[in-house]
Amino acid sequence: ELKVEQNPLFLSMQEKKNYTIYCNYSTTSDRLYWYRQDPGKSLESLFVLLSNGAVKQEGRLMASLDTKARLSTLHITAAVHDLSATYFCAVDEDRDDKIIFGKGTRLHILP
Amino acid sequence: GAVVSQHPSRVICKSGTSVKIECRSLDFQATTMFWYRQFPKQSLMLMATSNEGSKATYEQGVEKDKFLINHASLTLSTLTVTSAHPEDSSFYICSATTRRSGNTIYFGEGSWLTVV
Repeated sequence: ELKVEQNPLFLSMQEKKNYTIYCNYSTTSDRLYWYRQDPGKSLESLFVLLSNGAVKQEGRLMASLDTKARLSTLHITAAVHDLSATYFCAVDEDRDDKIIFGKGTRLHILP
Repeated sequence: GAVVSQHPSRVICKSGTSVKIECRSLDFQATTMFWYRQFPKQSLMLMATSNEGSKATYEQGVEKDKFLINHASLTLSTLTVTSAHPEDSSFYICSATTRRSGNTIYFGEGSWLTVV
């Protein structure tokens, strides 16, 4: 059974600081997704990582994938308040678009 | 770009009644859609895989007779919560994918169900 673990589950940080969210998963997979969710809203797709060594960046967010370590990271650079949200990673084990989510990381950025 | 739409966005129903939630892919055909449930401050839990023209595949622990899924066309899947109870109150989200978008999986806006 695929397990997806995120840490930390809650992160409170100051603006302008850097931090990393980690996503470990228990099976061999080369498809990993990062999503953002604002309170009361659905999911916003951030990154799709489809191969070992994949790195993608959008603004202050950068995601990477190491399939050998079964690890993905979401790095936040010089955080700003509007990045406050819950971030989920999700893994597609069988390449069938059925993705299993981690528990999410609630990010709170203090002004 | 691809859009997945859900309706209704919010619904309140009485205990014991049934409620239907629709998930539509607006500008692409989706042979497979997925239904998730999310309780407050928790993650998304996969309920079932909705297959066009065939029976849904349910995850372990999900009652197929309670959560009826129908995927009658390539652009529409429906989830019917039957004999709803207050503990069924949750945020229900569907997803679909199109290969045109580089394996991006799109999620609907979600449907808030409150059972009173």
